Amino acid sequence: NAGVTQTPKFQVLKTGQSMTLQCAQDMNHEYMSWYRQDPGMGLRLIHYSVGAGITDQGEVPNGYNVSRSTTEDFPLRLLSAAPSQTSVYFCASSSQGAQPQHFGDGTRLSIL
Amino acid sequence: DQQVKQNSPSLSVQEGRISILNCDYTNSMFDYFLWYKKYPAEGPTFLISISSIKDKNEDGRFTVFLNKSAKHLSLHIVPSQPGDSAVYFCAASARWGNKLVFGAGTILRVKS
Repeated sequence: NAGVTQTPKFQVLKTGQSMTLQCAQDMNHEYMSWYRQDPGMGLRLIHYSVGAGITDQGEVPNGYNVSRSTTEDFPLRLLSAAPSQTSVYFCASSSQGAQPQHFGDGTRLSIL
Repeated sequence: DQQVKQNSPSLSVQEGRISILNCDYTNSMFDYFLWYKKYPAEGPTFLISISSIKDKNEDGRFTVFLNKSAKHLSLHIVPSQPGDSAVYFCAASARWGNKLVFGAGTILRVKS
């Protein structure tokens, strides 16, 4: 039972570099989302998708791009990394209009 | 402006006693509430939820209470076990929606 799989688990980048965080789910969920977790702030929604070809912004979208070409995959792109994007990133999925969301184990990203 | 607040950053409880974690919300559109549990280096795991049409939901040692007039919910764990030591996040969503708004989390330590 893979559930939601995130890769890589850890990554160190230099300011200005680009990177794609991968997220895949095998539960045929329509809804997928990306959150970032920062100390004292809980999880904040970056972008979400309600199905293939449909994406929308969450609470903190600046500096991030997403696309959804298949039901299974929802990659998150950092086009030009900044130190403020140092965080732990979680991907989640669920059936459309339903809870709960199922989370991956996260990607810990450090930007120097 | 935090829509979901967990005002206690941490809580320490003796094994076998009750743990009570609290959560307040401000948005009247929220009608579904969830508690997630998170261990270090893992993603949040769904624990229990409650719809606004109920005031209590129970699952084994875990009970969630909802007071809509006070916009307050609480999670009771009885009896507390050392394995319950984790970060607990309160989250809320609006009707028919998937987007979750999270509180900052409460670190629970259960001492044996």
